[in-house]
Amino acid sequence: DAKTTQPPSMDCAEGRAANLPCNHSTISGNEYVYWYRQIHSQGPQYIIHGLKNNETNEMASLIITEDRKSSTLILPHATLRDTAVYYCIVSEHGSSNTGKLIFGQGTTLQVKP
Amino acid sequence: GAGVSQSPSNKVTEKGKDVELRCDPISGHTALYWYRQSLGQGLEFLIYFQGNSAPDKSGLPSDRFSAERTGGSVSTLTIQRTQQEDSAVYLCASSLRQGAIGNEQFFGPGTRLTVL
Repeated sequence: DAKTTQPPSMDCAEGRAANLPCNHSTISGNEYVYWYRQIHSQGPQYIIHGLKNNETNEMASLIITEDRKSSTLILPHATLRDTAVYYCIVSEHGSSNTGKLIFGQGTTLQVKP
Repeated sequence: GAGVSQSPSNKVTEKGKDVELRCDPISGHTALYWYRQSLGQGLEFLIYFQGNSAPDKSGLPSDRFSAERTGGSVSTLTIQRTQQEDSAVYLCASSLRQGAIGNEQFFGPGTRLTVL
């Protein structure tokens, strides 16, 4: 079972920031938080990952609470092309871990003009 | 550069037939994963390959499902005696190496399998 909880759907106005929450209250110390998204009829696409510090890349920012029990993915200026299902996943690392991803139901983000 | 490719993009088969789905990972990626996505469902892990190590088959739903990876590159997922519940999109992903931090997986476009 997925170790994360996300709202099933969210709307966002084009050009505004989209803030997608994720709860992972049972996360362990060596688990990272990953975000992927899946645009309709395509394979999932990696967005960002983090352990405990906030992270930013060209696609998004990831804010992780100090207790690491929740996080928020921020798309600073959402466009219509950001309409997708967004998955929050926790995953261990290390040579003994396969890195397989356990997907939940994700959040369907609808960006509206 | 080339991403992960999968073939065929669509496959329609009759119940009871065998099917083979192919995945070409990104060159140099040693880890390869198969997932499937049933209609309206999330993605479900099936099997994982890493180099010459024994594959992790823990996600395969039944013994009708098998997969191989030849020469550490191309992988084939085989479903024998297909059933209607096998209808799904089968996705392949590759990554540089297993379990590494920030080791993002690159997904192919998937094969849509329909079992009549």
